[in-house]
Amino acid sequence: GAVVSQHPSRVICKSGTSVKIECRSLDFQATTMFWYRQFPKQSLMLMATSNEGSKATYEQGVEKDKFLINHASLTLSTLTVTSAHPEDSSFYICSVQGGNSPLHFGNGTRLTVT
Amino acid sequence: RKEVEQDPGPFNVPEGATVAFNCTYSNSASQSFFWYRQDCRKEPKLLMSVYSSGNEDGRFTAQLNRASQYISLLIRDSKLSDSATYLCVVTDNTDKLIFGTGTRLQVFP
Repeated sequence: GAVVSQHPSRVICKSGTSVKIECRSLDFQATTMFWYRQFPKQSLMLMATSNEGSKATYEQGVEKDKFLINHASLTLSTLTVTSAHPEDSSFYICSVQGGNSPLHFGNGTRLTVT
Repeated sequence: RKEVEQDPGPFNVPEGATVAFNCTYSNSASQSFFWYRQDCRKEPKLLMSVYSSGNEDGRFTAQLNRASQYISLLIRDSKLSDSATYLCVVTDNTDKLIFGTGTRLQVFP
């Protein structure tokens, strides 16, 4: 069964609106969760590391004020894309470490900003 | 130079064929290596880890050459269901996973 649950799987929104994506760890208590972004035909790029009870760690070039991460519990991290623009359209995937895999991925959220 | 490089393909092979993918990485301090499989518009899923001595899982064989900094994946007796993108993944010296862009495989009847 799924180890990580991500919701929603698909979002279409208008430019300027904010979108929240939830990531739940079903099998592990995750003090750390990871958020990736994948543009078409490109590799997964780590955006940020979400830390339970503290601030997220953002990768170089990722705006922390635009991509708000909240990791309020050991099983839930949220990514909010604020004031989304068409260039933010992408596939966003969260992941959790644990068990016999280096990373378990959520099923991803395909964001389309019109 | 990209940290992890793969031939994007596509590799178009008939069922039953043997196909090999290579991947090179730039960080000599990398310690862990993996192959992930990603189906179209889906999340990646771990296919196998890659060990220094090489390892096999059914029809899949992974090899690591640290001196040349490359990893390979061999798929024998290809099935239609093997059609996917295969991602080479390497840890950097902070244990962060770095993904290649993937090699697309298309197996035809």
